[in-house]
Amino acid sequence: NAGVTQTPKFRILKIGQSMTLQCTQDMNHNYMYWYRQDPGMGLKLIYYSVGAGITDKGEVPNGYNVSRSTTEDFPLRLELAAPSQTSVYFCASSYSRGPLDGYTFGSGTRLTVV
Amino acid sequence: GQQLNQSPQSMFIQEGEDVSMNCTSSSIFNTWLWYKQDPGEGPVLLIALYKAGELTSNGRLTAQFGITRKDSFLNISASIPSDVGIYFCAATNYGGSQGNLIFGKGTKLSVKP
Repeated sequence: NAGVTQTPKFRILKIGQSMTLQCTQDMNHNYMYWYRQDPGMGLKLIYYSVGAGITDKGEVPNGYNVSRSTTEDFPLRLELAAPSQTSVYFCASSYSRGPLDGYTFGSGTRLTVV
Repeated sequence: GQQLNQSPQSMFIQEGEDVSMNCTSSSIFNTWLWYKQDPGEGPVLLIALYKAGELTSNGRLTAQFGITRKDSFLNISASIPSDVGIYFCAATNYGGSQGNLIFGKGTKLSVKP
């Protein structure tokens, strides 16, 4: 069982460039989430999805877009990278809306925008 | 918006010592969770609490869901070097319209061997 897989693990972007952070899960979870983690700031929710074709904004969605065409995949897109988007990004999934078994997290993508 | 206040921010302890950390909020939640994050990895669930006053253990870890539903505590007994990492509290109102988890800022634990 791979769980939640994120790619790439590391990336350096120049200001204004775009990229897609990939996330896939093989647990047949309906719910998927994108968080960013800044030093000393905990995890902030960017976007989430309750099922294929359905996405919604979290606490810090500006500068990001998502799509959910399949149950397995939930890519996060940065269109015009800015230094403020330098962070570690975590994708997570859960079976239900409530954390009966907690969220399963990927191992993260460390993004630096220069 | 809702936020969780986690303390302490960091702590250094001697191997074998017990550790306590807590998380408080001005909001009421019906579910509290504790996660641990190892360097370079995503958070991993340690303990989940679903009932006010509940006390739950997982090995050397014990967590409590506060009676007021506004706080939670995590204790680690007889700490060992592999306890190093960042511990996050998280909370939600499962079943509510805003059921997503919110996280505290973390407690960074360092152990002196």
